[in-house]
Amino acid sequence: QMQVQESGPGLVKPSGTLSLICTVSGDSLTSYHWWSWVRQPPGKGLEWIGEIHHSGGTNYDPSLKSRVTISVDLSKNQVSLQLSSVSAADTALYYCVGQGAIGYSYTYWGQGTLVTVSS
Amino acid sequence: ETVLTQSPGTLSLSPGERATLSCRASQSVSSAYLAWYQHKPGQAPRLLIYGTSNRATGIPERFSGSGSGTDFILTISRLEPEDFAVYYCQQYDKSPPMYTFGQGTKLEIK
Repeated sequence: QMQVQESGPGLVKPSGTLSLICTVSGDSLTSYHWWSWVRQPPGKGLEWIGEIHHSGGTNYDPSLKSRVTISVDLSKNQVSLQLSSVSAADTALYYCVGQGAIGYSYTYWGQGTLVTVSS
Repeated sequence: ETVLTQSPGTLSLSPGERATLSCRASQSVSSAYLAWYQHKPGQAPRLLIYGTSNRATGIPERFSGSGSGTDFILTISRLEPEDFAVYYCQQYDKSPPMYTFGQGTKLEIK
């Protein structure tokens, strides 16, 4: 049974860089092609941030593209998210999600980690 | 970029009733690329429907999806107490490659 766990600082200062790690256990993340980050600001809906293929190819939401980097470390079975120049608008619950065998939808979700941007 | 608009924003129904949730896209979406999720407070979202009409593993038969082009529907045939949650539709764009979610429909107990 694949498990997904996000980790990282819960508080980031404005203009700083948000860095999160997603650790996959129970299976290799190469078993499924794409891994993504999705966020949910307080009281709002789900927002797609971007995705990475286990070979390293990436796609990002155009509105975040200039600030986002998603990377993969196959040796650690981890996916990372970096979001630079953060502001209060980036305060959200951040989910790491995996497509599974189906494609174009997300079968595997972490529990999410709350990141607050505040001085 | 394809925008998904869900309606209604809030749906108030009683257990046993039928729920019909709508998801309208700003441009045509391939049926293969439309999914629905259930999201309860304090939990991760759960995939219900993929490819417009296919139930994900373990999803009860009372959940069904339909639609094509720009109009998609999630139907819950007979509501159980555990079905009251927020529901999101989601689609995939090929160019540029990206996903978008609808703003959600809150299904609440009447």
